[in-house]
Amino acid sequence: QKEVEQNSGPLSVPEGAIASLNCTYSDRVSQSFFWYRQYSGKSPELIMSIYSNGDKEDGRFTAQLNKASQYVSLLIRDSQPSDSATYLCAVKGNYGQNFVFGPGTRLSVLP
Amino acid sequence: GAGVSQSPSNKVTEKGKDVELRCDPISGHTALYWYRQSLGQGLEFLIYFQGNSAPDKSGLPSDRFSAERTGGSVSTLTIQRTQQEDSAVYLCASSPASFRDIGELFFGEGSRLTVL
Repeated sequence: QKEVEQNSGPLSVPEGAIASLNCTYSDRVSQSFFWYRQYSGKSPELIMSIYSNGDKEDGRFTAQLNKASQYVSLLIRDSQPSDSATYLCAVKGNYGQNFVFGPGTRLSVLP
Repeated sequence: GAGVSQSPSNKVTEKGKDVELRCDPISGHTALYWYRQSLGQGLEFLIYFQGNSAPDKSGLPSDRFSAERTGGSVSTLTIQRTQQEDSAVYLCASSPASFRDIGELFFGEGSRLTVL
């Protein structure tokens, strides 16, 4: 049974700081990793995808993947109050396997 | 629109009634997923369709739940004899991935089901 774990939070950071969100997964054959943002009462929206070890940057967001440690993280630089949401980590294997989501980390950016 | 479309957006029903929830995926997406999200909880996988392959039904919580996908496009999730614990937001998502490819998942706005 594949498992994806995240700290449920809430994680509170001041505006302008770096928010660091972490995710671990149990299935070593996992190949694809995703971060979704979910505002209260809304559906999840894709922020980042990462498939290879290392860092991937997109604007204020950086995803980091370490397959050996089965660990993926999301850094949000210059955090804004509008970043306040629940961040979901998702993991997928190949060959028709489904996406497995973590429970999410609630982030609160304080003005 | 170009996104995943779900209907109804809200459904209130009485315990014991059957309900049908509809999902129209993004055109050309071969994979379609149903998830359930109870208030304040994470996403619970229900069922997954990939092209013409047999669906992965491993997440369906009971035999009251079923889903079909007609013509490789629109999907209907049916809940028979609804119970109060079925109250949740039912999210549909689609992906452009084929069986061996990696693809990102795009969600609809969800159908909020309330069972009285």
